[in-house]
Amino acid sequence: GIQVEQSPPDLILQEGANSTLRCNFSYSVNNLQWFHQNPWGQLINLFYIPSGTKQNGRLSATTVATERYSLLYISSSQTTDSGVYFCAVEGRGGGADGLTFGKGTHLIIQP
Amino acid sequence: EAGVTQSPTHLIKTRGQQATLRCSPISGHTSVYWYQQALGLGLQFLLWYDEGEERNRGNFPPRFSGRQFPNYSSELNVNALELEDSALYLCASRGGYTFGSGTRLTVV
Repeated sequence: GIQVEQSPPDLILQEGANSTLRCNFSYSVNNLQWFHQNPWGQLINLFYIPSGTKQNGRLSATTVATERYSLLYISSSQTTDSGVYFCAVEGRGGGADGLTFGKGTHLIIQP
Repeated sequence: EAGVTQSPTHLIKTRGQQATLRCSPISGHTSVYWYQQALGLGLQFLLWYDEGEERNRGNFPPRFSGRQFPNYSSELNVNALELEDSALYLCASRGGYTFGSGTRLTVV
């Protein structure tokens, strides 16, 4: 099956700093999404980005499908950005296996 | 439009009992996916329902089963509960995957 690797596993930053989270995947994919899991466990969809670049406020993401990686950028971090960020991909099998998740990046933003 | 709703929010069961978790997808979405997030194991695919049928299942024992109703809502049943079934169970509605807020199952 598809392998999804995220780095770094943990990241501690001061408020106001910028960060880059990386996601590598092993096969061509139909879909790639970035999620933020809040302290209550809910997965908040940040980006649907199988290729290209998207921006939403302080967050942006880029996926280079031909090289099988995606990057999530967080600028001017705030304490509310803390949590776990997951990258998840859907393979070419039409959704039969749903999304395959990476192990996540645990981000802590200190005031 | 309403998002994906799951109930109950929390569930405490005794080992050996059965648990039933419920999920309603976004209106108009016919696919429901179930995931388990156990401590230290990440998010693992459990089951996929579409148009009322089970379409695929992940690497879980038959104790994990479910169904999808004509209105596309879904139920996940876990029989003969074991301590390691304690986890957050998330369901997703497909159309760009959107997740519910989950059911936290604790087996004591």
